Amino acid sequence: SQQGEEDPQALSIQEGENATMNCSYKTSINNLQWYRQNSGRGLVHLILIRSNEREKHSGRLRVTLDTSKKSSSLLITASRAADTASYFCAADSGGYQKVTFGTGTKLQVIP
Amino acid sequence: NAGVTQTPKFRVLKTGQSMTLLCAQDMNHEYMYWYRQDPGMGLRLIHYSVGEGTTAKGEVPDGYNVSRLKKQNFLLGLESAAPSQTSVYFCASSHRDTLRETQYFGPGTRLLVL
Repeated sequence: SQQGEEDPQALSIQEGENATMNCSYKTSINNLQWYRQNSGRGLVHLILIRSNEREKHSGRLRVTLDTSKKSSSLLITASRAADTASYFCAADSGGYQKVTFGTGTKLQVIP
Repeated sequence: NAGVTQTPKFRVLKTGQSMTLLCAQDMNHEYMYWYRQDPGMGLRLIHYSVGEGTTAKGEVPDGYNVSRLKKQNFLLGLESAAPSQTSVYFCASSHRDTLRETQYFGPGTRLLVL
């Protein structure tokens, strides 16, 4: 079963708006990661937040983690057309099997 | 650095045929993984390797075999392809160091089994 589940499944916004995606997971984690996938390409790592962190920033990205609710959110501020992609959360529960990926949020940013 | 490369990029097989997907990484990563990606299913781990000469089963290993004879290469084999194996296959690699757990992905191989 999927460790991470993203919400919403699809999101369409205008350029310049903020985009928020949510991820829920089932078991305790060591860290949670967010990846981006452009159409027809492999996944690219965006940001990692550890279980003892509550918020992390990287450029226009802001990630929060609430371990009590087993949830995380990814905020992309001032979105650009180039942000159009699918975004996946990946929960790392430790052990050799490493991370398990969610089903993704498909983001469309309209110029 | 080329990062993670996969060959082939696209392949069409008939049911029952066999093939091998090759993954290569030039980052000296200890861990390597094979995933499949299907619509609405996210990525599912097929097999993984924590070092040269070692492999282990992931979430969906049936119908696949793997080998890691060299640290930089991780091969995924389909002995008798089935239409259910139509998918996009991604290879990934990562350091063993728990502070650098980022996975680096290849561009993917699209496989169609008729």
